[in-house]
This record gives sequence, C-alpha cells and structure tokens, in this order.
Amino acid sequence: KQEVTQIPAALSVPEGENLVLNCSFTDSAIYNLQWFRQDPGKGLTSLLLIQSSQREQTSGRLNASLDKSSGRSTLYIAASQPGDSATYLCAVNGGSNYKLTFGKGTLLTVNP
Amino acid sequence: SQTIHQWPATLVQPVGSPLSLECTVEGTSNPNLYWYRQAAGRGLQLLFYSVGIGQISSEVPQNLSASRPQDRQFILSSKKLLLSDSGFYLCAWSNSARSYTFGSGTRLTVV
Repeated sequence: KQEVTQIPAALSVPEGENLVLNCSFTDSAIYNLQWFRQDPGKGLTSLLLIQSSQREQTSGRLNASLDKSSGRSTLYIAASQPGDSATYLCAVNGGSNYKLTFGKGTLLTVNP
Repeated sequence: SQTIHQWPATLVQPVGSPLSLECTVEGTSNPNLYWYRQAAGRGLQLLFYSVGIGQISSEVPQNLSASRPQDRQFILSSKKLLLSDSGFYLCAWSNSARSYTFGSGTRLTVV
C-alpha cells in the first residue's frame, strides 16, 4: 500500500526566503507525481506534474524534483511571497491504477 | 479549455436526510472522474472513481454511493446522512497523461 509523507507539517518563513518542501513515498512503482496548492476552504490547484521518467519540472518560481528510486520529491519555492501562503500537497499516482495517494500536506506561511 | 463545475459550495443537512452532490466536466470526453473527501486531520481520501458511464469503483465502504449517468457528469449520493459524513468533498477528473484537475469543493456539515 502506497504511503506518502510530507515534511515539515508546517513552515513559517520571512518574505523573500527560498524554501524546500519534502515529500516521500514508499512504493517507487509510480506513474507520476503531482504537487498541488490548497488555499483555506478552497479546492486544489495543480502546480507541477512530474512523470516517472522525468527528474524535474519548473514553473516560474517553482521547481519540483523527483528521485523515483529513493522515493522522494521536493518542491523548491524561490523568493517566497505572502501570496504563497497555503497548504501544499504532494500526490502520487500509482502505476497500475488510477488512484492518487496524497500526503497530509505542508502548511506554509510567508510573513511580510 | 477544460473546466470542472461542482455544486453546491456549502451545504448544511440534518442527520438522516438525503444527499446529492453534482459534478460536471466541460471541454473533454470520456474523462476519468473521482470523488474525494477531505476530513480535518485525515488528508484526502478517495471515495469513488469512474472510467466510463455506469462504471463505478468504490474505495471505501461507507454510507455514500456514486453514479455516472452521462459521460461528463458524476453524482455523489446518500439516502441517509450520518454525522460522520461531514467534510469537504472534492470532485476531480484526469486526462490521458493522468494529470488531475479538481473542482472547488463542497463543504458538507451534517447536524
């Protein structure tokens, strides 16, 4: 059974700081990994999707990496802004089914 | 472009009442559709998924059911709500690359 763990559970940083969010998964036989952002009381917004054959994906100030063999992914946020404050969720898509397995998320607060 | 609609945004229902949440997708055909529930402190849990009309797979035994009467319509139902059914319900669809897009969610409070 796939299990996804996100560390830290919460993170508070001053504006402008670069930061890294961590995600680990127990079963390396994945199809892809997707990072989402969730604002309070809202749905999930997709940030980056990394296919199992890829090592990283970039979008603006965000960079996500994937090391499938070690079961790890990181989300790097450069020059953080107060608008980045949200919960960030990592989700793994298994190889033979359609199921997304989520971590419990990292609550990020960027202080002005 | 593809869009996903989910309604209502919030719902307060008494224990024992029925439930119907609806989700529709536009701009794509034959999507895989999903219902997730997010409960406080428990993360996102897959409830049902569907790969086609009338095809429903249940992940967790519970008081809920799902139906897919049309290609781009997915409905979550209950005949009698329990207090434990309270939570944030999210509909999603995935494309051939297995990229997921989520709806805006429904906050259900059972009182």
